[in-house]
Amino acid sequence: AQSVTQPDIHITVSEGASLELRCNYSYGATPYLFWYVQSPGQGLQLLLKYFSGDTLVQGIKGFEAEFKRSQSSFNLRKPSVHWSDAAEYFCAVVLTGGGNKLTFGTGTQLKVEL
Amino acid sequence: DTAVSQTPKYLVTQMGNDKSIKCEQNLGHDTMYWYKQDSKKFLKIMFSYNNKELIINETVPNRFSPKSPDKAHLNLHINSLELGDSAVYFCASSQWGYSRLDTQYFGPGTRLTVL
Repeated sequence: AQSVTQPDIHITVSEGASLELRCNYSYGATPYLFWYVQSPGQGLQLLLKYFSGDTLVQGIKGFEAEFKRSQSSFNLRKPSVHWSDAAEYFCAVVLTGGGNKLTFGTGTQLKVEL
Repeated sequence: DTAVSQTPKYLVTQMGNDKSIKCEQNLGHDTMYWYKQDSKKFLKIMFSYNNKELIINETVPNRFSPKSPDKAHLNLHINSLELGDSAVYFCASSQWGYSRLDTQYFGPGTRLTVL
């Protein structure tokens, strides 16, 4: 089945440190991938998306992600984390066939230590 | 200028009641969605409407009935509420709905608590 996996349930980093959140996909063709962030008590905000072309994608809030077909991965990175980045991060893939269905990973909760 | 809005933000009710959640988008999108986020934060699609036509209907109890009076609104009506319906419900919209190039934009969510 087509899906995404986020291996890390929780990650804690110090403010100012670099961050990498992992996402692996299982999809036969080229996947269309997304990263969303959910701040506490808030809705989901789109950080970035990959459809095709350049495998390094820039997003909002200083985030970037790299699509690696050989590793079936779409990891999210940020060079220097801010305390306000503490949130839940979701990787997602869109499936078609009777409408667009976003299939989400289980999420990674990021905690930032001051 | 809220793009996708939902009301109410919080909803607390008793088992067996009937309740509705409203969603509106001002993005001019053709497609709207309902997602359910359970207590473990797992998100799963429930329904999708394109121009008032139902295009996605996942395995959801028929106590849940979406209604789309126009393409800017998609409401979720839930009959005979059960404890297991407690969750956060997210509305989303996208421009087309049939293209994988589409991007979905989410509302702030409605936290439903069934007592």
